[in-house]
Amino acid sequence: EPEVTQTPSHQVTQMGQEVILRCVPISNHLYFYWYRQILGQKVEFLVSFYNNEISEKSEIFDDQFSVERPDGSNFTLKIRSTKLEDSAMYFCASGPDRGHQPQHFGDGTRLSIL
Amino acid sequence: DQQVKQNSPSLSVQEGRISILNCDYTNSMFDYFLWYKKYPAEGPTFLISISSIKDKNEDGRFTVFLNKSAKHLSLHIVPSQPGDSAVYFCAAKRAEYNDMRFGAGTRLTVKP
Repeated sequence: EPEVTQTPSHQVTQMGQEVILRCVPISNHLYFYWYRQILGQKVEFLVSFYNNEISEKSEIFDDQFSVERPDGSNFTLKIRSTKLEDSAMYFCASGPDRGHQPQHFGDGTRLSIL
Repeated sequence: DQQVKQNSPSLSVQEGRISILNCDYTNSMFDYFLWYKKYPAEGPTFLISISSIKDKNEDGRFTVFLNKSAKHLSLHIVPSQPGDSAVYFCAAKRAEYNDMRFGAGTRLTVKP
């Protein structure tokens, strides 16, 4: 069964540095998403991406964050000037449509900011 | 964000018995509801969903019930198996929007 893959599984970065989290969505999916889960908290929506542009973003997704689909397969989340509170699990998801269709998640990247 | 609530952080059930996981929501505009299962060190895995035009959806051992008037949904697992032990997340969305709202999760333990 096709799956969403994320790399790296764990990223350790010094505060203030930039980090790029990578995802390969399921190949025939059109909608791509990033979510995060801070330890002990709920999974939170960050951003959705469709047709090479952001279709929705949450209040969390401020100017520190950006997303890109640099080629036909990868989908990336860039976090600039990382802060301690950016430490979380970051999940990438993809879906064939945005209506009544489930989103399928990768196994996440654990981001640790020191 | 309290739009989706799972009030039971944990549930323990004997193998072979029924597991019932509950979820409440506050936003009456939600029209699509999902259950995800999550094992440690893995991402959420889609389990089953239901749209607001239905009140029940069944897939093998898993059944989701939706009570729109009470803004409540539940996941029934029958019979429960030890491999079902995981954290179960309820999620909800509106069809025209992309963001899903998640509950805090319920940790299910199925004892042999």
